[in-house]
Amino acid sequence: DAGVIQSPRHEVTEMGQEVTLRCKPISGHDYLFWYRQTMMRGLELLIYFNNNVPIDDSGMPEDRFSAKMPNASFSTLKIQPSEPRDSAVYFCASSSRGEKLFFGSGTQLSVL
Amino acid sequence: GQQVMQIPQYQHVQEGEDFTTYCNSSTTLSNIQWYKQRPGGHPVFLIQLVKSGEVKKQKRLTFQFGEAKKNSSLHITATQTTDVGTYFCAEDTGRRALTFGSGTRLQVQP
Repeated sequence: DAGVIQSPRHEVTEMGQEVTLRCKPISGHDYLFWYRQTMMRGLELLIYFNNNVPIDDSGMPEDRFSAKMPNASFSTLKIQPSEPRDSAVYFCASSSRGEKLFFGSGTQLSVL
Repeated sequence: GQQVMQIPQYQHVQEGEDFTTYCNSSTTLSNIQWYKQRPGGHPVFLIQLVKSGEVKKQKRLTFQFGEAKKNSSLHITATQTTDVGTYFCAEDTGRRALTFGSGTRLQVQP
């Protein structure tokens, strides 16, 4: 199994631009999570899905952030418009029945 | 809401010394998980503790869950340079989502 696949690995963009992060979970996993990691705030849960349905998006910082999971094998996290304070590593993780998490390699986002 | 406090934030040890990180919660936990993140990497699952007073070992790593299920610890015996990284505890909020502690960054001097 290839594990959780995220793209891109690195994204550098200018303030105000739209950013789309992508994630392919492990086949057969029914939970998908988006986390953000920064030095100041650590690992924060942004949103998670169960069977493609958003369960809790209370961690999404603002309306500028949105996430979708159109099918069991794909999810996106979109930031529009992006701001410098959004700079962070964004991790996608998946799990089976909500047990141990398998993380992707992350997307390093830099907003200039 | 639930909040997981983890100490210390950082520890620098000589290779061969022991290391312990502690995780404390303000509420009773259903279970707790531990993850390791190497520098530049992603968190990797180590273990899950479920029962009160549970102790689990993985080679040089010993994990404990408190009797009241409000705290947990990870102890590494005789650290090696391969142990370098950040160790996170994570509590299950009860809705299948994990809240991560702030992590303990371990540096091992050869």
